[in-house]
Amino acid sequence: GESVGLHLPTLSVQEGDNSIINCAYSNSASDYFIWYKQESGKGPQFIIDIRSNMDKRQGQRVTVLLNKTVKHLSLQIAATQPGDSAVYFCAERGSGNQFYFGTGTSLTVIP
Amino acid sequence: DTGVSQNPRHKITKRGQNVTFRCDPISEHNRLYWYRQTLGQGPEFLTYFQNEAQLEKSRLLSDRFSAERPKGSFSTLEIQRTEQGDSAMYLCASSWTGEPYNSPLHFGNGTRLTVT
Repeated sequence: GESVGLHLPTLSVQEGDNSIINCAYSNSASDYFIWYKQESGKGPQFIIDIRSNMDKRQGQRVTVLLNKTVKHLSLQIAATQPGDSAVYFCAERGSGNQFYFGTGTSLTVIP
Repeated sequence: DTGVSQNPRHKITKRGQNVTFRCDPISEHNRLYWYRQTLGQGPEFLTYFQNEAQLEKSRLLSDRFSAERPKGSFSTLEIQRTEQGDSAMYLCASSWTGEPYNSPLHFGNGTRLTVT
């Protein structure tokens, strides 16, 4: 089956700095990727998505980069704020239309 | 609130009892997913529906688990003869799949199950 992994389980950044969260995926046939933010006691919240025919997509303060050659996905958060502290998951859509999630990266923003 | 709604938010049950959770998806969404999440892990896929049809089930979904979506709207997930290993957060998500676009999964806030 597919596996999605994250390079770093925890990340601490100073408020105002940029954050980069990385994710590796294993299924080269995955065609759709999503980043989610999950706060304690809540369900995952959609941040940004990207399809496999793109290599970059920007949202408000967030950018997702997709490198299909090395099967790597990253989430960049600009000017990180305390409210960005959460666990971040990447998810890939596999061949069976289900989504596979990594184990998550815990982001802590230091005021 | 037009998001995904899950009930109850918390459920504590004794081992061996049956439990049922409900999910109300975003009304215009045709797909509904169930996931399970344990502490420190990402959500694990259990099953999904396209309208009322259950299209895929994970190997994680033992025969004690059953999910339904009888009218293509809300869904229920039942666990029979609960075991302590069933303790987890059960997440429901919905999406729209079809023309002209496919939406991402939108999650509810989950039902936290504790089996004592």
